[in-house]
Amino acid sequence: QITLKESGPTLVKPTQTLTLTCTFSGFSLSTSGVGVGWIRQPPGKALEWLALIYWDDDKRYSPSLKSRLTITKDTSKNQVVLTMTNMDPVDTATYYCAHRRRSSWPKYGSFFDYWGQGTLVTVSS
Amino acid sequence: SYVLTQPPSVSVAPGQTARITCGGNNIGSKSVHWYQQKPGQAPVLVVYDDSDRPSGIPERFSGSNSGNTATLTISRVEAGDEADYYCQVWDSSSDHLFGGGTKLTVL
Repeated sequence: QITLKESGPTLVKPTQTLTLTCTFSGFSLSTSGVGVGWIRQPPGKALEWLALIYWDDDKRYSPSLKSRLTITKDTSKNQVVLTMTNMDPVDTATYYCAHRRRSSWPKYGSFFDYWGQGTLVTVSS
Repeated sequence: SYVLTQPPSVSVAPGQTARITCGGNNIGSKSVHWYQQKPGQAPVLVVYDDSDRPSGIPERFSGSNSGNTATLTISRVEAGDEADYYCQVWDSSSDHLFGGGTKLTVL
């Protein structure tokens, strides 16, 4: 059974750096093909993909946020950490981590089949 | 960068069929995935790889994808299907990308 859970601060001040941790179980991030992603959702708005880290430590970022994001993994702890620098009130959102699954051949792509419950982060002074 | 376009809202009476579209340039060449999100809850995958259903998702949920439009079809709509629905693809320029979401209202 795959589960994921996000943790981190609920309130950060503008210009600060946000650090979120995703702790998961039921799979290993050292297994070929596995990935863990981060997705956020501002209140009342759409989902926005942020970043993803693969089993081989390949890292991908949203082009619009790439300069502010860093994603890392600790395989021994079953954790993935996302940092976002220079936080702004517009970054107020629920942040989700999710298990990435590869599309089945011959299709090409990937999707998120298990999600954490999400954590609401408010950016305010 | 690639763009996914969804109608903001779709309304349907109970027992009828709801169709939610996701438009994108030659989206038929990509794999499209659909998520259901109810208020205060995390998204749930309801269709992946255009038309496959995860275990536990009712057969009433189906998907298709051709040309410039992918469609999520919900047959025999129930009150419990009222939710926001998002399409998602992987694209070489945008990586993982979500549509703007569609609010399904059951009348």
